Amino acid sequence: RKEVEQDPGPFNVPEGATVAFNCTYSNSASQSFFWYRQDCRKEPKLLMSVYSSGNEDGRFTAQLNRASQYISLLIRDSKLSDSATYLCVLPNTGFQKLVFGTGTRLLVSP
Amino acid sequence: DVKVTQSSRYLVKRTGEKVFLECVQDMDHENMFWYRQDPGLGLRLIYFSYDVKMKEKGDIPEGYSVSREKKERFSLILESASTNQTSMYLCASTLRGGNQPQHFGDGTRLSIL
Repeated sequence: RKEVEQDPGPFNVPEGATVAFNCTYSNSASQSFFWYRQDCRKEPKLLMSVYSSGNEDGRFTAQLNRASQYISLLIRDSKLSDSATYLCVLPNTGFQKLVFGTGTRLLVSP
Repeated sequence: DVKVTQSSRYLVKRTGEKVFLECVQDMDHENMFWYRQDPGLGLRLIYFSYDVKMKEKGDIPEGYSVSREKKERFSLILESASTNQTSMYLCASTLRGGNQPQHFGDGTRLSIL
């Protein structure tokens, strides 16, 4: 099993919709994670850091389900500018490295 | 704000050339990383460094080397470039300590002809 797995999508949603992505992970010791956003041909940028069971920032909510070993990102009231690839990222048990999922692509249409 | 600067956004080199990719960060971060990103494969770690003159192999170090002579600068070297090293290269840095997010440079899109 891969350390981090994401549905590659794309998820096609209309403006204003609510959309959720899940990310599963194999390391049961993981207690924190990050969501990064990556626009086409650009670098990944940190969207949210989560050090407990969840975090909310405006329209974005991230949650960690330790029992089922998955992480979710919920986006409410989707905007056209939310179109991007969302990367699920966990700290590795090794030397301060991060493990990146391959990303879920979101397309928000008018 | 953290600033991670990569020397080139686009670079075209020929097979067999020695290629240098430079990365500089201005936040006094201890840890620095080099990744490559290819469609469908995501980010793959090439090398990382947790201190000056220290380096550790990542998941795909073959064909690459690195240099960290100063804390703020981490260089990736392609000893003899090959076409399969055509990729997007991303540098990142972070503070020492677990559970720290990484901050990325703009990336270098390298083409080997």
